[in-house]
Amino acid sequence: NAGVTQTPKFRILKIGQSMTLQCTQDMNHNYMYWYRQDPGMGLKLIYYSVGAGITDKGEVPNGYNVSRSTTEDFPLRLELAAPSQTSVYFCASSYSFSLGDNEKLFFGSGTQLSVL
Amino acid sequence: GQSLEQPSEVTAVEGAIVQINCTYQTSGFYGLSWYQQHDGGAPTFLSYNALDGLEETGRFSSFLSRSDSYGYLLLQELQMKDSASYFCAVVDSGYALNFGKGTSLLVTP
Repeated sequence: NAGVTQTPKFRILKIGQSMTLQCTQDMNHNYMYWYRQDPGMGLKLIYYSVGAGITDKGEVPNGYNVSRSTTEDFPLRLELAAPSQTSVYFCASSYSFSLGDNEKLFFGSGTQLSVL
Repeated sequence: GQSLEQPSEVTAVEGAIVQINCTYQTSGFYGLSWYQQHDGGAPTFLSYNALDGLEETGRFSSFLSRSDSYGYLLLQELQMKDSASYFCAVVDSGYALNFGKGTSLLVTP
């Protein structure tokens, strides 16, 4: 199994450009997440999805959009990129349906994004 | 809202034991998780405590006290490869993990 796969690994954007970060998982997980991590900081939740067709905002959703048309894919869209969106983005997935067990996340390798 | 507090940096000697503490404030609580992240890498799951007490997994142990809103990660027989950042995280009333800012552990010879 490949696990959680993110593309691209690196990207440089100009201010105002748009792009989509791709995330796919082959573990048949229902729960998927997007986090961003700024230098020396923890991970902040951007959006999450509990199943195909269902998404919800996390702590820092502004400037981002997501969709979940299939169980496997959870792309993150950046519209009108800004320098404040320079960060490392991690996609993650989880199997459990139970909140109490929803603690083990499998992470992708990350996308390092710079907006200049 | 919720918050998690953990030390920003810890330094320890190879072969020693180190404890990384985490205190949390959350409106709902289901359990405390720990993740490890090496520089440039992705976070990886270490342990999870839903109930009070100690969970042991090899050289790593994790402890939870729900009444004190406190937990810790204990690393024994430290090795150089244990140099990494360690994050505590909680599941609140939502469906996602919220992470602390992380503790950078440096293991020295």
